[in-house]
Amino acid sequence: EVQLLESGGGLVKPGGSLRLSCAASGFIFSEVWMSWVRQAPGKGLEWVGRVKSKAGGGTRDYAAPVKGRFTISRDDSKDTLYLQMNSLKTEDTAVYFCSTEGPSGLQYWGQGTLVTVSS
Amino acid sequence: QSALTQPPSASGSPGQSVTISCTGTSSDVGGYKYVSWYQQHPGKAPKLIIYEVSKRPSGVPDRFSGSKSGNTASLTVSGLQAEDEADYYCNSYADFNNFAYAFGYVFGTGTKVTVL
Repeated sequence: EVQLLESGGGLVKPGGSLRLSCAASGFIFSEVWMSWVRQAPGKGLEWVGRVKSKAGGGTRDYAAPVKGRFTISRDDSKDTLYLQMNSLKTEDTAVYFCSTEGPSGLQYWGQGTLVTVSS
Repeated sequence: QSALTQPPSASGSPGQSVTISCTGTSSDVGGYKYVSWYQQHPGKAPKLIIYEVSKRPSGVPDRFSGSKSGNTASLTVSGLQAEDEADYYCNSYADFNNFAYAFGYVFGTGTKVTVL
């Protein structure tokens, strides 16, 4: 059974940093592209970015609102995906989901972790 | 990259059908076959229900169907059931070259489906 478990959310002040983790199990993590998606309270879904598998080049792509502030990485030896968030803004407040990515779309999702940016 | 446009709400009685539209541009919906749809119940993670415009993942009832014409994709839920009451989001692969990176995803604005 595929499982994705996010952690690391919490309250942080504007301008601060936070690192989210997504522990994966039930599939060969190293072979799968992974994405982060966020959802502000009461709002819609927003794609944050992805990291490709090593076989896919290992490159990363980011949405414009987070480019230059957020960094996605992966540790295939630990089956874990990361999202390093720097220079956080109040508008980054959201539930952050990790998801597998493939030709069939964003197939498997974690339950999300809440990040609140507030002074 | 602007969000894809969906109607904010749709409704139908049990057994009826509802269709949700998702309008984008030639840089996203109109340009790729990678259009997907997600169902989200309150407080839950989204669930993939349609991928590549019209394909259903294993386990998704055939009451859910998808299509695309030009820059607009559509999701139809036939034979509405109480458990279909949820938020629905379309999603498309998108060319983000204007923003100095290659390809990403853009979501729709979301549609709340109410079963009357």
